[in-house]
Amino acid sequence: AQSVAQPEDQVNVAEGNPLTVKCTYSVSGNPYLFWYVQYPNRGLQFLLKYITGDNLVKGSYGFEAEFNKSQTSFHLKKPSALVSDSALYFCAVSKTGRRALTFGSGTRLQVQP
Amino acid sequence: DTGVSQDPRHKITKRGQNVTFRCDPISEHNRLYWYRQTLGQGPEFLTYFQNEAQLEKSRLLSDRFSAERPKGSFSTLEIQRTEQGDSAMYLCASSFFGSDEQFFGPGTRLTVL
Repeated sequence: AQSVAQPEDQVNVAEGNPLTVKCTYSVSGNPYLFWYVQYPNRGLQFLLKYITGDNLVKGSYGFEAEFNKSQTSFHLKKPSALVSDSALYFCAVSKTGRRALTFGSGTRLQVQP
Repeated sequence: DTGVSQDPRHKITKRGQNVTFRCDPISEHNRLYWYRQTLGQGPEFLTYFQNEAQLEKSRLLSDRFSAERPKGSFSTLEIQRTEQGDSAMYLCASSFFGSDEQFFGPGTRLTVL
């Protein structure tokens, strides 16, 4: 079975400060890892993915994520937060041979001006 | 708009009634997914099609749920004899063969009274 944990229900950060949204996963075999963002009244939007290769993955809107195999983590980061980054962020995992994504419960990011 | 579309966006029904939702994927995408999202949770995988073939079903997809994709284009999700526990947002996503990125629609919010 595969699972994802997002230990923080909400993360608060001041505009201009760096942000981190945490994610840990459990899967047998090699993981495929994803971050999605959900704005109110809009569908989930893809931010970035890790399949293989460089552990630091760069994605949309200046976000990046670092894959750490030993800690089974895939934390989302951004060097300088914007108020417009405020949204609900989901980490997801799948694995080779499976198309179904398993999502975490989500972390609400609140960026204060 | 060439994204994934879902119809209706909202559905209110009484317990015991049948409901059907439609999903139109991005036109060149041959993979289509259904997920269910309840309040405060991440999306949960229900089923997946490649073209018209239903390749994977979650244990969440009880006998009251059926999904079809008869011509490999749009898909329908039917829930028979709805229960209050079926109240949720039903999300559809699509992807292109060989790509791991799933594009999500805005969802259909079901309320069972």
